[in-house]
Amino acid sequence: DGGITQSPKYLFRKEGQNVTLSCEQNLNHDAMYWYRQDPGQGLRLIYYSQIVNDFQKGDIAEGYSVSREKKESFPLTVTSAQKNPTAFYLCASSSWAGGETQYFGPGTRLLVL
Amino acid sequence: SQQGEEDPQALSIQEGENATMNCSYKTSINNLQWYRQNSGRGLVHLILIRSNEREKHSGRLRVTLDTSKKSSSLLITASRAADTASYFCATDDPDSWGKLQFGAGTQVVVTP
Repeated sequence: DGGITQSPKYLFRKEGQNVTLSCEQNLNHDAMYWYRQDPGQGLRLIYYSQIVNDFQKGDIAEGYSVSREKKESFPLTVTSAQKNPTAFYLCASSSWAGGETQYFGPGTRLLVL
Repeated sequence: SQQGEEDPQALSIQEGENATMNCSYKTSINNLQWYRQNSGRGLVHLILIRSNEREKHSGRLRVTLDTSKKSSSLLITASRAADTASYFCATDDPDSWGKLQFGAGTQVVVTP
């Protein structure tokens, strides 16, 4: 099966803790994205990567970090600097970063203890 | 910033009726997309319409684009309970290659 997987489905963070959300795709896509969704709102772009070993900040990058060491993987770390991390996080990929169709994973819901 | 804004915010209809939602955007675009999101799930791509197209169909979906008014509409005909979901429009950003801007969505409830 081709697609995007995200893990875990639910993640709990304690105060001052860094947590990492996993995103893997086997679609052979060059571009990958991380979005944050708050209740009743649309998606806001955190980071995106057009190619391996390269990534750019989106609209709300503060308190987050990413890496893109492999084409199929784009993990997102929510750092302790992110003071309001409770949200639904969505990873997506596209064949190339040109505003074309994006394919989404099932999401990770992050909750703060 | 959100480029696209959907209207209405919420829509409740009965099975068999048509559902229409609109999207307005502010700046020029190369294309506009519509996505569906079931509660607690990821987004699913429905249709992409390019700036030189005026109308596009896919099954029970019909999308129109009016670049002079910077607006698009999504029509779902003969709705089913399974169409219950949130619907988002997304526009590309010609000044920032690779980015999509999503609206806040229209929440559609179809009752049997």
